[in-house]
Amino acid sequence: ETGVTQSPTHLIKTRGQQVTLRCSSQSGHNTVSWYQQALGQGPQFIFQYYREEENGRGNFPPRFSGLQFPNYSSELNVNALELDDSALYLCASSLADSSYEQYFGPGTRLTVT
Amino acid sequence: SQKIEQNSEALNIQEGKTATLTCNYTNYSPAYLQWYRQDPGRGPVFLLLIRENEKEKRKERLKVTFDTTLKQSLFHITASQPADSATYLCALGGDTGRRALTFGSGTRLQVQP
Repeated sequence: ETGVTQSPTHLIKTRGQQVTLRCSSQSGHNTVSWYQQALGQGPQFIFQYYREEENGRGNFPPRFSGLQFPNYSSELNVNALELDDSALYLCASSLADSSYEQYFGPGTRLTVT
Repeated sequence: SQKIEQNSEALNIQEGKTATLTCNYTNYSPAYLQWYRQDPGRGPVFLLLIRENEKEKRKERLKVTFDTTLKQSLFHITASQPADSATYLCALGGDTGRRALTFGSGTRLQVQP
């Protein structure tokens, strides 16, 4: 088990609503990345934060936004939820200027109805 | 566009045999390639990283090869065990300054006792 935790574990929302997902990084890790994983697919990169600044973004619309806090924990916010947003949302932490492997949390399963 | 291909069909093998999984990519110049294991409902777990200037990497029963000319990586599990049954994801990274990973859709391995 990694030291990365995510909350909540499961979430059900209605189309058009907004959601906030939370992630606590592994101790000492200063970089956090968020991924979306649809059923049967590999994780897709949403964005990455390094020392509270966005440090790269994948092909996701602006209604996906994030924050990283001074303690390196992070939030993913999704506005105007769509049915296709239903997926497993994964947070991964890593240590910049060091090894490249990422440590994933257990994910948040979001269902949009 | 960038594309990573892993065999979408499940790989079924007998306990004790060697499992070989393939990862092919196009339109990509990764600085490194990683393999992750993912169990149902869990986040991916890092297994091995191999850099573009390395041909082969080993860790216990795991071996990874990386051929940047063929644009292919092979992942081997020797003396496979039922506990090795999981989905294995190939991920490429390092083509940009950030540490985002581009994942394949994974191959499900089933080891029969």
